[in-house]
Amino acid sequence: DTEVTQTPKHLVMGMTNKKSLKCEQHMGHRAMYWYKQKAKKPPELMFVYSYEKLSINESVPSRFSPECPNSSLLNLHLHALQPEDSALYLCASSLQGNTEAFFGQGTRLTVV
Amino acid sequence: AQSVTQLDSHVSVSEGTPVLLRCNYSSSYSPSLFWYVQHPNKGLQLLLKYTSAATLVKGINGFEAEFKKSETSFHLTKPSAHMSDAAEYFCVVSGSGNTGKLIFGQGTTLQVKP
Repeated sequence: DTEVTQTPKHLVMGMTNKKSLKCEQHMGHRAMYWYKQKAKKPPELMFVYSYEKLSINESVPSRFSPECPNSSLLNLHLHALQPEDSALYLCASSLQGNTEAFFGQGTRLTVV
Repeated sequence: AQSVTQLDSHVSVSEGTPVLLRCNYSSSYSPSLFWYVQHPNKGLQLLLKYTSAATLVKGINGFEAEFKKSETSFHLTKPSAHMSDAAEYFCVVSGSGNTGKLIFGQGTTLQVKP
């Protein structure tokens, strides 16, 4: 199994809603990541989890809250988002911090 | 600090002709380098990686790349383009240490004409 699975594929939410994005991998990877990608741009790193602990937060606003319940799961909790937060959110995992990353198909988020 | 420059924002080729996507990198140490492909509204798929073994790296779907330290380049090539190769391509260098940070180039859009 070489897949990173993200749910949902599409999400539309209002600015007062609370929602969560989910990511799962069963490759035994110990590093997991959240990226944000705007149209026609490369992905931007948001968070890194290493061995289930948050190791990097790229100064992401607190309306985005990551969670790593176990070594296979990664969540991104969303609250009070702004329309400019609309983007493709990508989850990735890697065996360690310096090996290649495998990406999920992403969640297309629209904030209305 | 590490950085990546993709020299062309858009490349257009005819089906069956060679593909060349150019990438230069800057790194203060021996880096790991990757090429990823992204089809519209999809995630990123790893095409190939260089991690200080052979300088000519073969990847999936007929792509290959050559690591040239003297030129700080890692260009992606394919002998014969297929319509399905039309996509966005990212050259990526690993960040310093073991942080997992990846440094992305700005991307090259490959158009394949019939």
